[in-house]
Amino acid sequence: AQRVTQPEKLLSVFKGAPVELKCNYSYSGSPELFWYVQYSRQRLQLLLRHISRESIKGFTADLNKGETSFHLKKPFAQEEDSAMYYCAVGETSGSRLTFGEGTQLTVNP
Amino acid sequence: DTAVSQTPKYLVTQMGNDKSIKCEQNLGHDTMYWYKQDSKKFLKIMFSYNNKELIINETVPNRFSPKSPDKAHLNLHINSLELGDSAVYFCASSPRGVGGYGYTFGSGTRLTVV
Repeated sequence: AQRVTQPEKLLSVFKGAPVELKCNYSYSGSPELFWYVQYSRQRLQLLLRHISRESIKGFTADLNKGETSFHLKKPFAQEEDSAMYYCAVGETSGSRLTFGEGTQLTVNP
Repeated sequence: DTAVSQTPKYLVTQMGNDKSIKCEQNLGHDTMYWYKQDSKKFLKIMFSYNNKELIINETVPNRFSPKSPDKAHLNLHINSLELGDSAVYFCASSPRGVGGYGYTFGSGTRLTVV
């Protein structure tokens, strides 16, 4: 069964500091990994997907199959990055996405 | 144009009532979903339809009944509402299979049962 673990429920950093949101997954097939962001009381928005290997809003994430991790990183956090971040895993041919429990990031001035 | 739209945005109702939430997507996606986000912000899938066919039906009380009149619409009807049903309900859609695209979410319906 698919499973996603985000070990930190809350993460607080100061503006300009590096930030890393951890995500570990368990999946037996060929997984697709995603990061979603939810700003206060808004919809979830796709932030990153591992196949695109792109950087959005300064965030990057690398899929490490050996460690089954997909950590989200940003070298210099901004106050507007404060939000709830969800890691999710799905399968290429399937339609189900399984979400982690989320990490609430707070960037302090 | 809103890609995935849900109505209503807020819903306050009394215990025991029956209510519906509507969802529409204009992306041409084949698959639609309902997720529940509880007070701890945990997201859990409830149902999924692919081109009007039910493909995912998680362990959800049978008071919850999804209906998909066509592949662009997926509605959620809830009978005999209970206090524990209070949550934010998100509709989402995706192309056939997640396939690297992930989901597009609606803005959510905040249901409060009093």
